Amino acid sequence: DGGITQSPKYLFRKEGQNVTLSCEQNLNHDAMYWYRQDPGQGLRLIYYSQIVNDFQKGDIAEGYSVSREKKESFPLTVTSAQKNPTAFYLCASSISGTATYEQYFGPGTRLTVT
Amino acid sequence: GENVEQHPSTLSVQEGDSAVIKCTYSDSASNYFPWYKQELGKRPQLIIDIRSNVGEKKDQRIAVTLNKTAKHFSLHITETQPEDSAVYFCAAASGGSNYKLTFGKGTLLTVNP
Repeated sequence: DGGITQSPKYLFRKEGQNVTLSCEQNLNHDAMYWYRQDPGQGLRLIYYSQIVNDFQKGDIAEGYSVSREKKESFPLTVTSAQKNPTAFYLCASSISGTATYEQYFGPGTRLTVT
Repeated sequence: GENVEQHPSTLSVQEGDSAVIKCTYSDSASNYFPWYKQELGKRPQLIIDIRSNVGEKKDQRIAVTLNKTAKHFSLHITETQPEDSAVYFCAAASGGSNYKLTFGKGTLLTVNP
């Protein structure tokens, strides 16, 4: 299960606080993705990065921010502007910036905001 | 944008029976259709995929079929086993340069021994 890691596994925060979720990969993949998973909703794309120092908004980017300063790292910040942040967050990477290559997922971070 | 519909949302079968999960998509430009399996408490993993120049693909007990005219694709699992119990997601690669996957909402498959 190595290759792409997320930390922490569980995260608890108070409402109004920003929180940053870590995602690291040692697969030498160019592309990285952040998804949000809610019960019965599938995986929804938050942000993606096809190459280092570049990233684009996905379908539900409001209230989130990312950076891609290193090829190996793609941290996601959940800001206080995100209205419903409690969810399971999955990071993924793929060898290429197109979506026609296998995406390798991390183990996920479950965020609870109260 | 692309919209992927997946049915059924839950499916219960007896061990040894076949299971079929169906997906439809809206963007006729989509050309790559993967299926991911997510076991309880684990990360999603690719189990099979198909590209638009192929109508069917098999891998042991798993097969995927694609009908581009009707814009639907299906996952077929034969001789189901309890370890096939999981949530299955279909997806379609969309966007002008196939930059992202759009996922269906998932099917919870339960294989009863």
